[in-house]
Amino acid sequence: LAKTTQPISMDSYEGQEVNITCSHNNIATNDYITWYQQFPSQGPRFIIQGYKTKVTNEVASLFIPADRKSSTLSLPRVSLSDTAVYYCLGGGSGNTGKLIFGQGTTLQVKP
Amino acid sequence: NAGVMQNPRHLVRRRGQEARLRCSPMKGHSHVYWYRQLPEEGLKFMVYLQKENIIDESGMPKERFSAEFPKEGPSILRIQQVVRGDSAAYFCASSLKAPGGANVLTFGAGSRLTVL
Repeated sequence: LAKTTQPISMDSYEGQEVNITCSHNNIATNDYITWYQQFPSQGPRFIIQGYKTKVTNEVASLFIPADRKSSTLSLPRVSLSDTAVYYCLGGGSGNTGKLIFGQGTTLQVKP
Repeated sequence: NAGVMQNPRHLVRRRGQEARLRCSPMKGHSHVYWYRQLPEEGLKFMVYLQKENIIDESGMPKERFSAEFPKEGPSILRIQQVVRGDSAAYFCASSLKAPGGANVLTFGAGSRLTVL
């Protein structure tokens, strides 16, 4: 299983760029790195996914070094509505479907 | 194009009663996952099912809990003889692809079970 480690919490201010780093030392060769966002009382929502180098979409960027043992989610110019829990996933247990979410990073954006 | 639909959104049961949570995956998705989330905690994997088959139930308690995903109809997570410790949010997710590789899960809004 690709166990992930990420900071428990982070604080930021509106308009700043936020970078959340996740380590996944045991990621499997064919697994992608996926990030989800969860607001209180809601289900997690897919943000971004990548295999290596850099991926960018309308919401965030994902940086993955060549060794793929870590990844960094970058949120540009955060707003109060970005306050949420962010989960990093480094793939599942083969084909069994057991995706491990971990505790995630609670991001608090302040005005 | 409806997403993953879960019902009921809120369910209250007394100790010893049964709870049935239903999940309709996104159209075209044949892979369903159930997760449990206790207050202030992360999501804990319970079970992964494909149509008519349980693929991985390693996260589900062996007693009182069962899950199914029949050929027709929604996936159902069933909790018999509920206890207070079963109070939690239960999230269902579905995916188009099988796990592994570039798999992406789409989650429902969750069912919140309260056991009195």
